[in-house]
Amino acid sequence: GQQVMQIPQYQHVQEGEDFTTYCNSSTTLSNIQWYKQRPGGHPVFLIQLVKSGEVKKQKRLTFQFGEAKKNSSLHITATQTTDVGTYFCAGDYNTNAGKSTFGDGTTLTVKP
Amino acid sequence: GAVVSQHPSRVICKSGTSVKIECRSLDFQATTMFWYRQFPKQSLMLMATSNEGSKATYEQGVEKDKFLINHASLTLSTLTVTSAHPEDSSFYICSARRPRAGSFEQYFGPGTRLTVT
Repeated sequence: GQQVMQIPQYQHVQEGEDFTTYCNSSTTLSNIQWYKQRPGGHPVFLIQLVKSGEVKKQKRLTFQFGEAKKNSSLHITATQTTDVGTYFCAGDYNTNAGKSTFGDGTTLTVKP
Repeated sequence: GAVVSQHPSRVICKSGTSVKIECRSLDFQATTMFWYRQFPKQSLMLMATSNEGSKATYEQGVEKDKFLINHASLTLSTLTVTSAHPEDSSFYICSARRPRAGSFEQYFGPGTRLTVT
């Protein structure tokens, strides 16, 4: 079936260190989205990537979509305690138009 | 930004009763809404796609007679958990997509924490 694999499951960093989470799909995605969920909260939409090789930045966050549209990454530069939470990727497939398949998420903890 | 509301935020009910959860898109029309279920420290599991004016599309393994979905208008979808049992206790979240040029933004409601005693 169509699955989106996300690694790592957990990441503990010291404040100021960088953080990266990766998503991979065995089949081509039509687009990929990234969400952040704070403890006790709900997922909040961060960004959507559609084009092959696309790179988008939001302040300290950099999102990439692979050339083959099968993988994506989220990189946070110089983490802050406010970055704590679980980051999910979610991919859409052409054969499942309109529905997103979520990765298992990467939970980030930041030590001050 | 777009807002999706969900009500109630928390509900405790007795086993055998039914619970209705409402999901509203507050500042845009949503022909499609999605219902997810999330267990503690786990990812979101898509339960069904709610389509305005037609029947919902359920994911494999989700009982349509137990989780009734009604999408009565372009801004409201409801999920009714019928004859709830303790194993139905979970965090239920709805979402809706707002189209953008060539893409979309997906907004989640704040979720409903259901506890069945």
